Amino acid sequence: QKEVEQDPGPLSVPEGAIVSLNCTYSNSAFQYFMWYRQYSRKGPELLMYTYSSGNKEDGRFTAQVDKSSKYISLFIRDSQPSDSATYLCAFLYGGATNKLIFGTGTLLAVQP
Amino acid sequence: DAGVIQSPRHEVTEMGQEVTLRCKPISGHNSLFWYRQTMMRGLELLIYFNNNVPIDDSGMPEDRFSAKMPNASFSTLKIQPSEPRDSAVYFCASSPHIGEEGQPQHFGDGTRLSIL
Repeated sequence: QKEVEQDPGPLSVPEGAIVSLNCTYSNSAFQYFMWYRQYSRKGPELLMYTYSSGNKEDGRFTAQVDKSSKYISLFIRDSQPSDSATYLCAFLYGGATNKLIFGTGTLLAVQP
Repeated sequence: DAGVIQSPRHEVTEMGQEVTLRCKPISGHNSLFWYRQTMMRGLELLIYFNNNVPIDDSGMPEDRFSAKMPNASFSTLKIQPSEPRDSAVYFCASSPHIGEEGQPQHFGDGTRLSIL
């Protein structure tokens, strides 16, 4: 079983739609949960970052973590063409190690 | 603030040549990471440094790859000799405050490497 599983997409939605992006993980040692956004020919940029189970909201973005099910989600409300990018989930162990484990990414296209 | 700076942005070279990729982390960041990204394998961690010391190089594919961090503001990733299968985008990332848990990483825009 892979440590992290992420639907590769591609996902195509009309402007204004609600988007749901998901990852599952198998390692209970992960304590920090992140979403990165990567535009074409750019580096990944941190979008959302959370530690605990539950929801965290930032504008049109909501990150959800369910540690009991080992499942994380990113919701995008009122999606815009500028949201078109690859979204990567990422997981960080606690303690002194800073090693991030990434999902393979979901390519999202928001059609105007 | 300047972000992570990588050079060159693009590199095209012939098989067998030495390739050197460069990275300047964000000032004050203690940890530096080298990743490789391909369509097939996604983002893979190659090596990371804390306070200029290599901590985990288990992702370095083979002896042809080497990385150094001579000081807090500069790191190199070298491939010698290069092979076509090394073609990928190589990213450098940095994060702050060694010892503080859960510090997110900040990425440069990568070096797009093509080995012919």
